Amino acid sequence: GAVVSQHPSRVICKSGTSVKIECRSLDFQATTMFWYRQFPKKSLMLMATSNEGSKATYEQGVEKDKFLINHASLTLSTLTVTSAHPEDSSFYICSAEPGQGDIQYFGAGTRLSVL
Amino acid sequence: AQSVTQLGSHVSVSEGALVLLRCNYSSSVPPYLFWYVQYPNQGLQLLLKYTSAATLVKGINGFEAEFKKSETSFHLTKPSAHMSDAAEYFCAVSPPITGTASKLTFGTGTRLQVTL
Repeated sequence: GAVVSQHPSRVICKSGTSVKIECRSLDFQATTMFWYRQFPKKSLMLMATSNEGSKATYEQGVEKDKFLINHASLTLSTLTVTSAHPEDSSFYICSAEPGQGDIQYFGAGTRLSVL
Repeated sequence: AQSVTQLGSHVSVSEGALVLLRCNYSSSVPPYLFWYVQYPNQGLQLLLKYTSAATLVKGINGFEAEFKKSETSFHLTKPSAHMSDAAEYFCAVSPPITGTASKLTFGTGTRLQVTL
């Protein structure tokens, strides 16, 4: 089956630093990748849709300068949390779609803790 | 706009008992519907999906769900719960549009507890 790798699985950083999270589709090419944020005991909230070779589309209320998304290849998308603050602490999950309108395959998530 | 409502944030069943997790959707057109499972500190795994074919959908691990348009429901069931089924379950909906990226809207999740 399709595998999506997300790295790192857990990161702890100081307030004010930037953190990069990688999402890779290991055995398929993904034209589209999605980034979600999950608060404790809450559902997944879509942050942005990432398309290879173009700018990401952000959902309403998500700061694009705060959450930088780069989709440089058909197998890799990155999310950079810039100048992280404690309120950015959360579980971030990516997903990848082999074809448009296809099933999304999810990464294992990254737990970010900002001190 | 689409939305999903999962009734019951927490469901507890005995091992071997029937599992029923409820999901109701709201959509202007018949949507695509999904059930995902999430184990602690992990991503989501697709259990099953409905994409306008058979209304009774069978998924992995013995789960199945039935699409009922008249009730706008897509409840998840399993005849006999196993301890390994303990996890968080999410119902999700997406518009039935092919050729474009499918944006999923998730419900708030239901935590399934299985007791001895």
